[in-house]
Amino acid sequence: GAVVSQHPSRVICKSGTSVKIECRSLDFQATTMFWYRQFPKKSLMLMATSNEGSKATYEQGVEKDKFLINHASLTLSTLTVTSAHPEDSSFYICSARDHRRPNNEQFFGPGTRLTVL
Amino acid sequence: DQQVKQNSPSLSVQEGRISILNCDYTNSMFDYFLWYKKYPAEGPTFLISISSIKDKNEDGRFTVFLNKSAKHLSLHIVPSQPGDSAVYFCAASHGGDDMRFGAGTRLTVKP
Repeated sequence: GAVVSQHPSRVICKSGTSVKIECRSLDFQATTMFWYRQFPKKSLMLMATSNEGSKATYEQGVEKDKFLINHASLTLSTLTVTSAHPEDSSFYICSARDHRRPNNEQFFGPGTRLTVL
Repeated sequence: DQQVKQNSPSLSVQEGRISILNCDYTNSMFDYFLWYKKYPAEGPTFLISISSIKDKNEDGRFTVFLNKSAKHLSLHIVPSQPGDSAVYFCAASHGGDDMRFGAGTRLTVKP
């Protein structure tokens, strides 16, 4: 089956620093990857759609200068949280679309728990 | 703009009984619906899906029902097992585009 990995699984950083989260599709090429954020007791909120070789498309209300997304290859997308604040603490999840599968099925990574002190 | 809604934040069921999780949506353009299961500190895992051309899809203990006129779908788990305890997310998409998720329902199956 399709496998998506995320690294790191857990990160703690100081306020004001930047954190990079990687999302990799391990056994398929993903021209499109998605970044989600899960707030406590709330749904998964789509932050942005990442397309290989082009700029990410951000959802309304998501600061693109704060959440930098790079999709440099067909198997890797990165999310960089810049100048992190405590309110950025959350569970970040990526997914990758496998175009070989019916309905462009998406596969999720295991998530990254970010804690900003 | 919550296009996919799961109005029950939690559900508790006895082992062996049926669990019914509900989901409503507002966008009539959605043509593909999915259910995901999520354990704490893990990413969601795909459970079952249904295309808008169908009204039922069954996979083992899991059945998803779609009522397009009511813009409603439900996930039935029977018989429920303690290992089914998790948060279940309903998701919908149009033409394979970005999925929209419901808020999730926490299912607790008691032994």
